[in-house]
Amino acid sequence: DIQMTQSPSSLSASVGDRVTITCQASQDISNYLNWYQQKPGKAPKLLIYDASNLETGVPSRFSGSGSGTDFTFTISSLQPEDIATYYCQQYDDLPSLTFGGGTKVEIK
Amino acid sequence: QVQLQESGPGLVKPSQTLSLTCTVSGGSISSGSYYWSWIRQPAGKGLEWIGHIYTNGSTNYNPSLKSRVTLSVDTSKNQFSLKLSSVTAADTAVYYCARRTVITIFGVLIKDAFDMWGQGTMVTVSS
Repeated sequence: DIQMTQSPSSLSASVGDRVTITCQASQDISNYLNWYQQKPGKAPKLLIYDASNLETGVPSRFSGSGSGTDFTFTISSLQPEDIATYYCQQYDDLPSLTFGGGTKVEIK
Repeated sequence: QVQLQESGPGLVKPSQTLSLTCTVSGGSISSGSYYWSWIRQPAGKGLEWIGHIYTNGSTNYNPSLKSRVTLSVDTSKNQFSLKLSSVTAADTAVYYCARRTVITIFGVLIKDAFDMWGQGTMVTVSS
């Protein structure tokens, strides 16, 4: 099984800050990685697919990069509505699909 | 706009079978390259993929749950269902149904992601 390790597990930043989350796969997954946002009490929402492609309707302040085992998710300018937990998810190890442990983003 | 909605008992006794249904509205469950999926999340914890079913009935399950999970689809009702047997307190979680969209163009994988989710339903396993 491919393990997905996210860091940090939580962070606190100010409005307008650049926020970066990393996700490391236990083996090469090419670019087969997605990023989701989950607000409290809500279902996850797809933000980034295929490591760097922005889902339709998602603000451009969100971006993703990376390939192989190391991936980065960035919020270029943190907004109050971005308070959420963010998850990476691999789809290289089909049919098994696994998520990272999540990164909780809070406003300082 | 496609919407997904989970339904089923919110309380299940230990050793019994958890049964949930996901109703798809706003589009046909049979159209497109979709894998209809179940994902769960224990309180305060991360997401765990349970399994998915294609509209031809083919299934894939999380190896850790495979012996207890059965997925089915009813295209006439635009629904798919989850059964999880021999439940314990460890199965207490919010259960989400989701649409996994897979797009390939000329054999190249363009997208493979959970792009539509139900709101989730809380299931508690307790006597």
